[in-house]
Amino acid sequence: ETGVTQTPRHLVMGMTNKKSLKCEQHLGHNAMYWYKQSAKKPLELMFVYNFKEQTENNSVPSRFSPECPNSSHLFLHLHTLQPEDSALYLCASSLEGNPSGAPYEQYFGPGTRLTVT
Amino acid sequence: TQLLEQSPQFLSIQEGENLTVYCNSSSVFSSLQWYRQEPGEGPVLLVTVVTGGEVKKLKRLTFQFGDARKDSSLHITAAQPGDTGLYLCVAGNNRKLIWGLGTSLAVNP
Repeated sequence: ETGVTQTPRHLVMGMTNKKSLKCEQHLGHNAMYWYKQSAKKPLELMFVYNFKEQTENNSVPSRFSPECPNSSHLFLHLHTLQPEDSALYLCASSLEGNPSGAPYEQYFGPGTRLTVT
Repeated sequence: TQLLEQSPQFLSIQEGENLTVYCNSSSVFSSLQWYRQEPGEGPVLLVTVVTGGEVKKLKRLTFQFGDARKDSSLHITAAQPGDTGLYLCVAGNNRKLIWGLGTSLAVNP
């Protein structure tokens, strides 16, 4: 399988549940990202990992916990979510992070549609 | 706060028509990218522009970066149903990416 894959594609969970989103990239990239896409809002960057190290956390609530065991895999662990956390969660990867500031191409997965009830 | 405004927010046209969508800001950016997101999929990069006044063509799509590097436009000639999707612009500055809300385009056969 090629590109960026995400599982599950759809998830419905209660506010007291614990679940995890999985992302895998088969592109040999070294940087991986979690984004939140909500209606009427721009894409929100949540976390960035470069060479398995977290380099960015954009004030994300602690009920979202990322994990990057290696450069190919990225997880987002979810617990005690709120209804306003319902959104499309997109994973992306790029060859590397952005140390020089030059524009880089991100490759996105299809996303996980999360509904919190 | 740097903001990117995309217009129009929604656009529904017939196959064969031409259209232009815009991405504007009051800030100067070092780069600008356009992505297209089809229903049920993640965004896919279409183009990156870095020079003020730069024009790039990708088949029926023409992208322009404003001279002052504050705005960009995307023109589609003879739109096809396969062009349907959400067109997102994202500007780069100081190692940060700023995303617009997108233009949702529907091309009807």
